[in-house]
Amino acid sequence: DGGITQSPKYLFRKEGQNVTLSCEQNLNHDAMYWYRQDPGQGLRLIYYSQIVNDFQKGDIAEGYSVSREKKESFPLTVTSAQKNPTAFYLCASSIDERGTTNEKLFFGSGTQLSVL
Amino acid sequence: AQKITQTQPGMFVQEKEAVTLDCTYDTSDPSYGLFWYKQPSSGEMIFLIYQGSYDQQNATEGRYSLNFQKARKSANLVISASQLGDSAMYFCAMREGRAGNQFYFGTGTSLTVIP
Repeated sequence: DGGITQSPKYLFRKEGQNVTLSCEQNLNHDAMYWYRQDPGQGLRLIYYSQIVNDFQKGDIAEGYSVSREKKESFPLTVTSAQKNPTAFYLCASSIDERGTTNEKLFFGSGTQLSVL
Repeated sequence: AQKITQTQPGMFVQEKEAVTLDCTYDTSDPSYGLFWYKQPSSGEMIFLIYQGSYDQQNATEGRYSLNFQKARKSANLVISASQLGDSAMYFCAMREGRAGNQFYFGTGTSLTVIP
């Protein structure tokens, strides 16, 4: 089955530590996204990538980094510079088709990151 | 200015009744797409329904329909015959047609279905 796989489901970070969240898709989608969700809040865009080797900052990119070396993979690193990383992180992908339901976002099941 | 506004933090509905979740949007782009997603307590985001800005008719998907009022820039979700499994967070989102590919999300509405 095609879809988006996020791992791990739960992740704990120590002070000063960098951690990487994995996101893999087999939908052959060009665009991939990382969102952060705080309790009771909506989704805020961290980074997105429209094609391999290219990515753009979203609204809250500070303290995060990404790479897009392969079409299928878009890992997110939460660096020690992110002082409040505790949140639910969602990875998503989409095709670049407009005007139909096909342009919708497909989501992974999320990673809950907590600080020890 | 907020691109997507959902003014109902929480809503309650009796089982088998219909409920409307409000969403207004802000864009100057004539081409855009509107989406509704459901997020149960498990955290997954489930796509419910899509409305394109040029679509003449309101979108429907089973028990879900989208009340699209273009002049008012509103895209309300109507859930008919509510079920206990409909209890979840609901998010409205928009994607503008111009380059950039950003999806904008509202803050969500928590729906509770009462038996």
